[in-house]
Amino acid sequence: ETGVTQSPTHLIKTRGQQVTLRCSSQSGHNTVSWYQQALGQGPQFIFQYYREEENGRGNFPPRFSGLQFPNYSSELNVNALELDDSALYLCASSLRGLAGKYEQYFGPGTRLTVT
Amino acid sequence: EDQVTQSPEALRLQEGESSSLNCSYTVSGLRGLFWYRQDPGKGPEFLFTLYSAGEEKEKERLKATLTKKESFLHITAPKPEDSATYLCAVQVEDNYGQNFVFGPGTRLSVLP
Repeated sequence: ETGVTQSPTHLIKTRGQQVTLRCSSQSGHNTVSWYQQALGQGPQFIFQYYREEENGRGNFPPRFSGLQFPNYSSELNVNALELDDSALYLCASSLRGLAGKYEQYFGPGTRLTVT
Repeated sequence: EDQVTQSPEALRLQEGESSSLNCSYTVSGLRGLFWYRQDPGKGPEFLFTLYSAGEEKEKERLKATLTKKESFLHITAPKPEDSATYLCAVQVEDNYGQNFVFGPGTRLSVLP
């Protein structure tokens, strides 16, 4: 069984640029969530995709957008980067059952630095 | 506003000294409560999910319990390899769909 993978591992961007982060879900999982984790804080929920549709969103502006593909891999896109976007970006996949109950398994994260 | 707090912020234990970590939550509709362990520079590692008050789950030296307002993670006879940040999160459903709220974590250090 393959776990959740993310790419790239590290990334440095300049303020105002755009970035795309990628995630491959664990085999058999149909749901992916993205989180932003600043140093010393807990992860903050950005959004979730279930069967290629956005299924929930946290308090993040529209310049944070995403996609989920038919093979359940996913992308997080951030436009007009700001210094405060510097953080560890985490992807988590899960198998959402009929009762809406599921467990999330996280990838290793992508460390984004905005200068 | 849905909120999760954790205490203590940091905890230092001697090897073998049992203790408990607390997670308190204020949410409009709890769907589930999760415990994770996170090592520095890595993604969180899933430990437990609890769905209803009174539920308990165990794994090796860890035991998680849930009440209507809080959850506890009990660590029995910890070892140095248990040193990590322990995160609590709640799953809720709001007007926008699914939402997950994490607490700030408890940094646990177990000294040999």
